[in-house]
Amino acid sequence: EVQLVESGGGLVQPGRSLKLSCAASGFTFSDYNMAWVRQAPTKGLEWVASISYGGSNTHYGDSVKGRFTISRDNAKSTLYLQMDSLRSEDTATYYCASPWGDFDYWGQGVMVTVSS
Amino acid sequence: EIVLTQSPTTMAASPGEKVTLTCLASSSVNYMYWYQQKSSASPKLLIYYTSILASGVPDRFSGSGSGTSYSLTISSMEAEDAAIYYCLQLTSTPPTFGSGTKLEIK
Repeated sequence: EVQLVESGGGLVQPGRSLKLSCAASGFTFSDYNMAWVRQAPTKGLEWVASISYGGSNTHYGDSVKGRFTISRDNAKSTLYLQMDSLRSEDTATYYCASPWGDFDYWGQGVMVTVSS
Repeated sequence: EIVLTQSPTTMAASPGEKVTLTCLASSSVNYMYWYQQKSSASPKLLIYYTSILASGVPDRFSGSGSGTSYSLTISSMEAEDAAIYYCLQLTSTPPTFGSGTKLEIK
């Protein structure tokens, strides 16, 4: 059974940093591109970042470019999202996902609240 | 980036009614993906590659379209279909979601 389990969320002050992790199991993690998608309270879905299966290619949404860094450790089957210079508008549930059509899996999400 | 515009924003349908949701792209995309989200649950894939039904999805759901215009159709509305529906394009980087259509049961 494919599982994606996010961790690392919580309450953080504006301007500070936070690192999310996503532990993958039930599939060959190193074979798949991965992504982070977020959803602010009562808002829609927003693509945050994605990374190729080998980790060499990354893409970011305009709202997080230059502040967030996506990475992966294929030996540990783990996806990461380093979030720096956090803003109140980054408050959201962050989903780890492999949303590629015929291979589509999502985690349960982890809440990040940016507030003083 | 490609902007996806979904319509309507909100609608209500009676049980048994046919429902069509639309997603218009600001530039041509190769395929469209459709997700269903209920309350605070993770999004659930309904349709991929424009018209292929995801595993376990009832066949009352169908997708169609090409270029800049895509649609999701529910042939006969059921109470359990009340949810928010999102379209997603993966053709262009960064991928983008539509703003969603909230579908309610009458």
